[in-house]
Parts: sequence; structure tokens; C-alpha cells
Amino acid sequence: DAGVIQSPRHEVTEMGQEVTLRCKPISGHDYLFWYRQTMMRGLELLIYFNNNVPIDDSGMPEDRFSAKMPNASFSTLKIQPSEPRDSAVYFCASSRARLAGGPEYFGPGTRLTVL
Amino acid sequence: DAKTTQPNSMESNEEEPVHLPCNHSTISGTDYIHWYRQLPSQGPEYVIHGLTSNVNNRMASLAIAEDRKSSTLILHRATLRDAAVYYCILRPLTQGGSEKLVFGKGMKLTVNP
Repeated sequence: DAGVIQSPRHEVTEMGQEVTLRCKPISGHDYLFWYRQTMMRGLELLIYFNNNVPIDDSGMPEDRFSAKMPNASFSTLKIQPSEPRDSAVYFCASSRARLAGGPEYFGPGTRLTVL
Repeated sequence: DAKTTQPNSMESNEEEPVHLPCNHSTISGTDYIHWYRQLPSQGPEYVIHGLTSNVNNRMASLAIAEDRKSSTLILHRATLRDAAVYYCILRPLTQGGSEKLVFGKGMKLTVNP
């Protein structure tokens, strides 16, 4: 398995620009999660999908953030317009649904810097 | 969400066992105990999880107290690569599957050569 793939690995942009982060989950996984990590707030769950359907987006900070999962092998997290406070490392994770509460597998993250 | 309490940090020596404690006094009957770790500049990595019985895998062992109000992650022989932030997380199980993970601040483990 290639693991969870995220792109780009690093993104530097200017305030007001649109940013799109991409994620390819592990094949066969039913759940996909987007997290954000900052020094101040730690690791926060933004949104998660089950079978491509958003289940809980209560962690999405505001309307500038949106996430989609058009198919089982691809998801995007978009920030429009971006602000300096959005600077963080964004992780995507996926897991296989099973009763035992199986593990989540995380990607390497995208480090976003908004100037 | 049920809370967990971990020390902020611990130190260990290479090739010695390490016991990482976690308190979760408000755990409910359907909460699984999950452990993840995050090495520097990497995404979190699953370590182990359990419900009531002790669990072993190639990475670690999880010892769960009889009343389930605490647990201990055991690294049998620490290596430098085990230096990381370790997260103890309670994950409620819903009828449709497993609920989301809520990460706390975790505990930083330093391994001395």
C-alpha cells in the first residue's frame, strides 16, 4: 500500500488567495478525515466523510473552508480566501469502517504558510 | 467527550522498557482506548488500541486496569526512534462504526542514548 497521499507537501501563498489541498486515501478505506495542527491549538479534526458523504463538519472553522469528496479515492480541502491565521499543517487520514474502532492512517501532511 | 490525562513529558533510556501512563476516570463502557504517536515532522501514527483486555502487537503492549479508569502503554525496549509525542485517546463506538478521534496535548517522550 502506498499509504495516504497528500499534495502539495508545502504551500506558500499570499493572503486572499485560494488554496486547495488534496488527499488520496488508502484504497478500500471507508472513512476520510481532515485535521489541522498548530502549536497553539494542537491537532484538530476539521471534517470527516464516510463513503464520500460528509458526516461531521463541526470542526470547520468558518465558511472560508470547504471540503469535498467526489469519489472514494480523492478529497479536497479548500480555503478561500486564505488568511495568515490559516497557516498550519493539514493532515488527511483514512480508515476502514469496522466495529472494533480500527486505526486511522495519516498522510505526511501539507504545511501551509499564508503570508 | 471523555477526557484523558497524561504527564506532559517523560524521559527514558535507550534499550530500557518504558511505561507511559494514561488516566481516563470518566471512561464509558463503549469507549475504546487508542494510542497514537507523532514523530517530529510526521503525521500521527497508530500504535495500539483496546477495550477491556490487555493487547500486544509488534510495536507495544497496552495494559488496561481492571476498572478501565487507567491504562499503560508499554514499550518493551525503547529506541531513539520511539522519541515522539504520545496521545492516549478515548474513542466512543457508535452503532454505525467508530466515532472520531479527539487528540489532546499528548505526552512528549524523550529517549536518551
